[in-house]
Amino acid sequence: SQQGEEDPQALSIQEGENATMNCSYKTSINNLQWYRQNSGRGLVHLILIRSNEREKHSGRLRVTLDTSKKSSSLLITASRAADTASYFCATAPRGQIGNEKLTFGTGTRLTIIP
Amino acid sequence: GAVVSQHPSWVICKSGTSVKIECRSLDFQATTMFWYRQFPKQSLMLMATSNEGSKATYEQGVEKDKFLINHASLTLSTLTVTSAHPEDSSFYICSAREDVKRNSPLHFGNGTRLTVT
Repeated sequence: SQQGEEDPQALSIQEGENATMNCSYKTSINNLQWYRQNSGRGLVHLILIRSNEREKHSGRLRVTLDTSKKSSSLLITASRAADTASYFCATAPRGQIGNEKLTFGTGTRLTIIP
Repeated sequence: GAVVSQHPSWVICKSGTSVKIECRSLDFQATTMFWYRQFPKQSLMLMATSNEGSKATYEQGVEKDKFLINHASLTLSTLTVTSAHPEDSSFYICSAREDVKRNSPLHFGNGTRLTVT
């Protein structure tokens, strides 16, 4: 079942600006992950944040997690045209071993305008 | 890095025929692989969990006789869409987790676009 909701559904920004996407989920989680999907391709893992972490950085990416609100955000700083893609959050339920059976959010389609 | 190869990348078939999609982990062993389905501009829906040497576990609402899954080795899982119909047209994606890195992220194939005419 689909438990993650992301907003906005679509986002268009100028190159160089920052892009923020949000994800909400419903059940208790072990970790939350963000993936990117270029049109018609598979998913590429971007970053994983554990339930006991509140913020994580990786290059131009910054992820926050608020387990009390069951929400996460992905910030992409200094956006580039190559960042144009769909971004999905995915949750691994608490109690699950490893990262099996991820539940994906509805996704945000990000367009970077050169 | 770990690579998952999915083949074919696209296929067109006639109604009533069967189509086999392969998912291979190229440089790691994967006891568990996952098959997803994605409709245009929508999220990924987990169809089934493929387990090497045992039966696949299907999600609720997924017909196991329609979507046959075989995981015969530690590096290969196949999804066969049997007696395909136009409503089976979709984007199918597989993923795999490295056995030796139980907490590592999943690695995804590039997907297969199936069009049933």
